[in-house]
Amino acid sequence: GENVEQHPSTLSVQEGDSAVIKCTYSDSASNYFPWYKQELGKGPQLIIDIRSNVGEKKDQRIAVTLNKTAKHFSLHITETQPEDSAVYFCAASMGYSSASKIIFGSGTRLSIRP
Amino acid sequence: EAQVTQNPRYLITVTGKKLTVTCSQNMNHEYMSWYRQDPGLGLRQIYYSMNVEVTDKGDVPEGYKVSRKEKRNFPLILESPSPNQTSLYFCASSPVQYTTDTQYFGPGTRLTVL
Repeated sequence: GENVEQHPSTLSVQEGDSAVIKCTYSDSASNYFPWYKQELGKGPQLIIDIRSNVGEKKDQRIAVTLNKTAKHFSLHITETQPEDSAVYFCAASMGYSSASKIIFGSGTRLSIRP
Repeated sequence: EAQVTQNPRYLITVTGKKLTVTCSQNMNHEYMSWYRQDPGLGLRQIYYSMNVEVTDKGDVPEGYKVSRKEKRNFPLILESPSPNQTSLYFCASSPVQYTTDTQYFGPGTRLTVL
């Protein structure tokens, strides 16, 4: 079955710097790759997603890249701010959306230093 | 307000005592899913449902049951809870549409099995 590995498990960056979180997946049939942000005491919230027919997607300070050949995808956050501090999860799904069987990575705790 | 609600939010029980965690959504979403979250393991999908009377196993279905008799409700049933089911549980819902995909998560249920 699908397996998703996420690195690093913790990441601390200076406010204003960039943060990069990387994930690899095992099943080449996976088509949909969402990223979720989870703040303390809350449920995860979708922040950006990418489908297998696209190599890169950007939304303001957040971008995701996908390399289907290497089976890895990455989250890039630029100009980090204190409110970016949270736990981030990547995921992979064989459907074309999260409305299917979905496998999550183990999470990255991002801390933004003032 | 569009939301996913879970009850109870906190539950302490003993081994073998059947329990049900309810999940309800008011967005008319076809898809609903249950996850458990454990430290270092991220989110793991337990069961999901693409529509009424349609349910499928996720990654970790053992020890759990679900039912989808109505579109808005997706209860999680633990027939004989064991200590290894102590976890934080999230319910989520999503429309089943290719171009519009946001999975909405509930606030979580923290379950302790003694």
